[in-house]
Amino acid sequence: NAGVTQTPKFQVLKTGQSMTLQCAQDMNHEYMSWYRQDPGMGLRLIHYSVGAGITDQGEVPNGYNVSRSTTEDFPLRLLSAAPSQTSVYFCASSYRSASGANVLTFGAGSRLTVL
Amino acid sequence: AQKITQTQPGMFVQEKEAVTLDCTYDTSDQSYGLFWYKQPSSGEMIFLIYQGSYDEQNATEGRYSLNFQKARKSANLVISASQLGDSAMYFCAMKHGNNRLAFGKGNQVVVIP
Repeated sequence: NAGVTQTPKFQVLKTGQSMTLQCAQDMNHEYMSWYRQDPGMGLRLIHYSVGAGITDQGEVPNGYNVSRSTTEDFPLRLLSAAPSQTSVYFCASSYRSASGANVLTFGAGSRLTVL
Repeated sequence: AQKITQTQPGMFVQEKEAVTLDCTYDTSDQSYGLFWYKQPSSGEMIFLIYQGSYDEQNATEGRYSLNFQKARKSANLVISASQLGDSAMYFCAMKHGNNRLAFGKGNQVVVIP
């Protein structure tokens, strides 16, 4: 049981390049999300999905696209990277239940540097 | 809008002592949940403890307990009997909407022998 797997762990891009951060989970979780973590800022929600075919914007969605074609995968696309997107990115998943105690399980993180 | 505030500067705590990390929140929701996560220097996010807004009892998980004061909108984390491995950043977060979490900026804890 691998949990939440993110690739790559490290990436350096030039301004204007595009790339996709991959995220996969093997826990059959309905809910998946992407966060970015910047120094002194905590984690901020970029996009999230409550199930296959359903995505929505979070707190800081500009410059990022997502899709959810399967329950397992939730890739994050940067169409034209900017230095302001230099950050550590975390993918997370959780199972939706009625109790409210839906714990996010995080991937190991992907460190992206945009030059 | 939901807001989480963690304002303590970095904290040094003696091994085996208890430490309390402050967290206050602001929300107009009646139903919400509060989480604490630990982030060691290796970078992963580790779930520690959860408190639902309707839970009568304060949550406890091993050496972690959550001092939930709903009227004051605070959800402080207490770590008892600190260990060297407790040195990390600690984030308070609040669940709202469809499993969306709003995070605070974190508290740095360093445990000294």
